[in-house]
Amino acid sequence: EDQVTQSPEALRLQEGESSSLNCSYTVSGLRGLFWYRQDPGKGPEFLFTLYSAGEEKEKERLKATLTKKESFLHITAPKPEDSATYLCAVNSGAGSYQLTFGKGTKLSVIP
Amino acid sequence: EPEVTQTPSHQVTQMGQEVILRCVPISNHLYFYWYRQILGQKVEFLVSFYNNEISEKSEIFDDQFSVERPDGSNFTLKIRSTKLEDSAMYFCASSEGKGLMYSNQPQHFGDGTRLSIL
Repeated sequence: EDQVTQSPEALRLQEGESSSLNCSYTVSGLRGLFWYRQDPGKGPEFLFTLYSAGEEKEKERLKATLTKKESFLHITAPKPEDSATYLCAVNSGAGSYQLTFGKGTKLSVIP
Repeated sequence: EPEVTQTPSHQVTQMGQEVILRCVPISNHLYFYWYRQILGQKVEFLVSFYNNEISEKSEIFDDQFSVERPDGSNFTLKIRSTKLEDSAMYFCASSEGKGLMYSNQPQHFGDGTRLSIL
């Protein structure tokens, strides 16, 4: 059974204070690791897909990296508008389409 | 930018009643999904749908649940006889299905329907 664990559960940062969120996973055969952003009362908004260890993706102040056991979402010089819950999800197994999600990290960026 | 739309945004129903949640996936997408998120818990997979049939379902998706694509644009989730524990946010998602790498395509989510069972 696939498992995804995210840490920390919550993170408060001052505006401009860089940090990283962690996603540890256990899967039978990774076919994709996905990062999403979720604002209160909204659906998950797609950010990145990572397919293999060593891969990196960037978008504005966010950078996602992947190893064989975990992924990191690095946030550089965050702004208050980056405040949200960040979700990590994995897809594994040939022919399987379901995503297994972690509980998320709630990020608060204080001005 | 194309998006997944869901209606209604909030549905209040008496226990034991049938409810239908509606979704319009992104127009060129071929795979459709339903997930749910109970307050304070993880997003959980319910079912995936491709080529007018269920391709995968979770243990949550029992005989009380069904999905349908009644026309070329809508995708629905029906709960036949609702229970208190069905109260949750229900998300519809869709993804492209071109080529061999179907399962790696990112799924794009709607903003959900909050289902409250009284």
